[in-house]
Amino acid sequence: EPEVTQTPSHQVTQMGQEVILRCVPISNHLYFYWYRQILGQKVEFLVSFYNNEISEKSEIFDDQFSVERPDGSNFTLKIRSTKLEDSAMYFCASQGGRPPDTQYFGPGTRLTVL
Amino acid sequence: KNEVEQSPQNLTAQEGEFITINCSYSVGISALHWLQQHPGGGIVSLFMLSSGKKKHGRLIATINIQEKHSSLHITASHPRDSAVYICAVSWRSSGDKLTFGTGTRLAVRP
Repeated sequence: EPEVTQTPSHQVTQMGQEVILRCVPISNHLYFYWYRQILGQKVEFLVSFYNNEISEKSEIFDDQFSVERPDGSNFTLKIRSTKLEDSAMYFCASQGGRPPDTQYFGPGTRLTVL
Repeated sequence: KNEVEQSPQNLTAQEGEFITINCSYSVGISALHWLQQHPGGGIVSLFMLSSGKKKHGRLIATINIQEKHSSLHITASHPRDSAVYICAVSWRSSGDKLTFGTGTRLAVRP
């Protein structure tokens, strides 16, 4: 069964460093999302992406964040200058059909900022 | 503010028991999702509902649009059902992003 994959599974970085989290959505899916979950808290929406552009972003998704679909298969989330409070589990999700439709989640990348 | 509330927060059951987890939301939705999150953190989609009832194996999800309420039932619960169950909605007013509840942590004892 097709699945969403994410790399790395765990990333440790120093405050102020740039990180890139990578996702490979399910092939032929058209809608892509990033969510995050701070330890012990609920999952929060960051950004949605369709037709090679951001369709919606949350207040969390400030100028430090960016997303890209560089090659038609990968979907990346970049954090330019990490802060301690960026430490969280980051989930990528993809969706095949027009909303509303089932979103398929990747296994997550645990980001730890020291 | 658009909110999703779940109850109970924690639930412990004996193997074989019938389990119900509830979700309520504040305004109109385009769809409601039930998700399962395992201890390792991964999230699996169980159901997406916009009306009525869906069944998959021992899991049943129902939604009452008028009352803005959904339930997830697990029949004949098993220790492998132990996980966090999360309700999430996409609001009719704001596209396809999901707004998540805080989750219900279920432990099923043998």
